[in-house]
This record gives sequence, C-alpha cells and structure tokens, in this order.
Amino acid sequence: DAGVIQSPRHEVTEMGQEVTLRCKPISGHNSLFWYRQTMMRGLELLIYFNNNVPIDDSGMPEDRFSAKMPNASFSTLKIQPSEPRDSAVYFCASSFLRSHTQYFGPGTRLTVL
Amino acid sequence: AQSVTQLGSHVSVSEGALVLLRCNYSSSVPPYLFWYVQYPNQGLQLLLKYTSAATLVKGINGFEAEFKKSETSFHLTKPSAHMSDAAEYFCAVSDQGGSEKLVFGKGTKLTVNP
Repeated sequence: DAGVIQSPRHEVTEMGQEVTLRCKPISGHNSLFWYRQTMMRGLELLIYFNNNVPIDDSGMPEDRFSAKMPNASFSTLKIQPSEPRDSAVYFCASSFLRSHTQYFGPGTRLTVL
Repeated sequence: AQSVTQLGSHVSVSEGALVLLRCNYSSSVPPYLFWYVQYPNQGLQLLLKYTSAATLVKGINGFEAEFKKSETSFHLTKPSAHMSDAAEYFCAVSDQGGSEKLVFGKGTKLTVNP
C-alpha cells in the first residue's frame, strides 16, 4: 500500500514567492496533520484536519500560512509570501480518527533564498 | 500545557550495548505517550505507544518502553544495539481527552559504534 505522499520533495524558491506543498494521505484515513521541522524549534504541529475540517490551527505561524483540505485524498499548505525563516522540512501525516497512530510522509524540504 | 523533555540530544553506544533514551513528560491529564524514529531524510515512524493499557509497551525492532506515572517518565530501551538503530528518536505526548494533537520532544540522536 502507498504511504503518505508529499510533493515536491524539495523546493527552492526566492523570498516573496508563493509556495504550495501538497499531501495525499493514506486511503481511508480521516485525520491529516501538517508539521514543520527545524533545528531550532524541532517538530511543530501547524494544523490538523478531521474529516476534511480544520480542527486546530493554533500552530500556524502567521497569516502568510494557509492550509486546505478540499477532499479526503488531498491537502495543501501554502505560504504566501515566503520568507527565508520559512526554510524547514514540512511533513504531512495521516491517521484513522482517534487511533493515535500517525503515519508520516517523507517530507518536503523547503529552502527560501 | 503538555510538554516532553528528552534528556540528551546525542547518545552514543557500542554495538551490542544497552540503549536507553530518556523521556519525561508534563501533562495535567492522563497522557498517551509515543516514541517515533526518524532515519536520515525520511519521515517519522511509530516505534511504540502507551494508551493506558499495560505500562510496559513493546514496539518494533526490539524496543520497549515503560510508563512510570510516579516518575512522569517513558524511557525507551533496547537490550542490544544494532548498527541499523542509528537514527533520531522522538518522544511525544497527547492527552486522552480526544485531541489528536501530538507534542514532540526535541529528539535524541543515537549513534551506534562498531
């Protein structure tokens, strides 16, 4: 079975540009999570969805970040405009609701110059 | 608020030696506790989880962890380290109240020497 799929795996962009990260959760999973990992701050939850509805977005750093989940098989995390401090690895994870077992994708390494 | 403290950002052991990675949690409600492993350039993989059943939890790859409420600890152990265990290990906590939000520790990088 395919795991969580993220694209792109690597993204290099210039400050001020819009960046869109994509995630396809494991089929049948109904919870989806977006995390950011940096050396300084470690692994932080940005937002999570249950049944395509955002439940907790308290980790979204600022209005430049937005996330959507238009259907059960796709989610996006958008940064507009991007800044160098957004450089990080962004992970998507999915799970069955209330299973407390999250499956992580391989991550997207974002570099903002 | 929940938090997790992992003692030691780097741990080095010899192949065949005991692995002990420390995790202490802070939670105002009974927690669920997790250990994840991250290999270089990969996502995190669940090793084991405690969800209020047996306090000694066995996971994959020979790892186990014991929930000790009196010590607010959930240390990860493996009797004999293998070279393939070299990775970064993360302890995480969530509350049993229904939120699926995980709070992660800073991670411990394990090096296994031949």
